[in-house]
Amino acid sequence: GAVVSQHPSWVICKSGTSVKIECRSLDFQATTMFWYRQFPKQSLMLMATSNEGSKATYEQGVEKDKFLINHASLTLSTLTVTSAHPEDSSFYICSANTGGGFNQPQHFGDGTRLSIL
Amino acid sequence: DAKTTQPPSMDCAEGRAANLPCNHSTISGNEYVYWYRQIHSQGPQYIIHGLKNNETNEMASLIITEDRKSSTLILPHATLRDTAVYYCIVSYYNQGGKLIFGQGTELSVKP
Repeated sequence: GAVVSQHPSWVICKSGTSVKIECRSLDFQATTMFWYRQFPKQSLMLMATSNEGSKATYEQGVEKDKFLINHASLTLSTLTVTSAHPEDSSFYICSANTGGGFNQPQHFGDGTRLSIL
Repeated sequence: DAKTTQPPSMDCAEGRAANLPCNHSTISGNEYVYWYRQIHSQGPQYIIHGLKNNETNEMASLIITEDRKSSTLILPHATLRDTAVYYCIVSYYNQGGKLIFGQGTELSVKP
């Protein structure tokens, strides 16, 4: 089945540093990927839609200068949390549509747990 | 905002069928119903989806009412590994396939 891989699976950083998270589609091409954030005991919150070769579309309330998204190829999207602070600590998850129409299911990575000290 | 309503939690005995309800009374004609589940500390896993007909795959069955205002996910023989949060989502078809997650149902399968 379709596989989406995220790297790293967990990261601990000092406050003020920038952190890059990679999302790869391993056996299919993904023109669209999605980024979510999940706080403990809460549901997933959609942050942005990442489009290959164009700018990402951010959901209301998500700071685009804080969360930089790059989708430079059909198999890779990256999320960079710039100047991260403790409140950015969260579980970040990406997903990708396998194509064939927007009714096709999305497949999710296993997430990246980010802890900012 | 999520367009679905689910009970916050349910219990099920191991080996029995788990029936998870979902209300989506404002669903529009071209919107699909998707079910995903999330086991603790993992990314969501796709289970099944449908438009108006009932669907079945190796994991589960999806029963959609004729008026499409509600649906039920059926896990025919629940196991302890089915313990997870189950999300029923109506797709934003006209918005590029975005999925807006609600709070889901926390299913506990007990021995």
